[in-house]
Amino acid sequence: GAVVSQHPSRVICKSGTSVKIECRSLDFQATTMFWYRQFPKQSLMLMATSNEGSKATYEQGVEKDKFLINHASLTLSTLTVTSAHPEDSSFYICSAPERRGNYGYTFGSGTRLTVV
Amino acid sequence: GQNIDQPTEMTATEGAIVQINCTYQTSGFNGLFWYQQHAGEAPTFLSYNVLDGLEEKGRFSSFLSRSKGYSYLLLKELQMKDSASYLCAVRVHNTDKLIFGTGTRLQVFP
Repeated sequence: GAVVSQHPSRVICKSGTSVKIECRSLDFQATTMFWYRQFPKQSLMLMATSNEGSKATYEQGVEKDKFLINHASLTLSTLTVTSAHPEDSSFYICSAPERRGNYGYTFGSGTRLTVV
Repeated sequence: GQNIDQPTEMTATEGAIVQINCTYQTSGFNGLFWYQQHAGEAPTFLSYNVLDGLEEKGRFSSFLSRSKGYSYLLLKELQMKDSASYLCAVRVHNTDKLIFGTGTRLQVFP
């Protein structure tokens, strides 16, 4: 089945630094990738949608200059958290829509970001 | 806007049946998904409904009423390993976006 590989699985960074999270589609071409954030004991919140070859679209309230999204190829989408602060500590997860079957979604394994 | 509500927490006993409700108001509808999620892990697909009615899949069933903006997930013969969060999610028509509900944490006791 479709697989999205997400790295890193865990990262700890200092306040003020930037962190890049990668999602690669391994056996299919992901023209679209959704990025979610999840705080403890809460649900997944959609942050933005990346589309290969065009600018990402951000959900209301999400700072586009803080969360940089790049989708330069059909198999790679990246999320960079810039000038990270402790309140950015969260679980970040990507998801690509499948173009077959129930047209469901393939999720990455998630990245636990801790900003200290 | 999008509004997808679920009860925050539920408890049940091993071997019992539990029903987790989901109500939604979204700008367009193109299917509803149910996922199971353990802490720190990716959601795991459980079921999908796009037409009204019941979909059965082993111990899990899911129901949808589009006119009422309502779905439920039914878990039968509960096992301890079913303790997890359950998320309903609506695919928004014409966008492929998947919007998640507030999530329900289920705890199964012996």
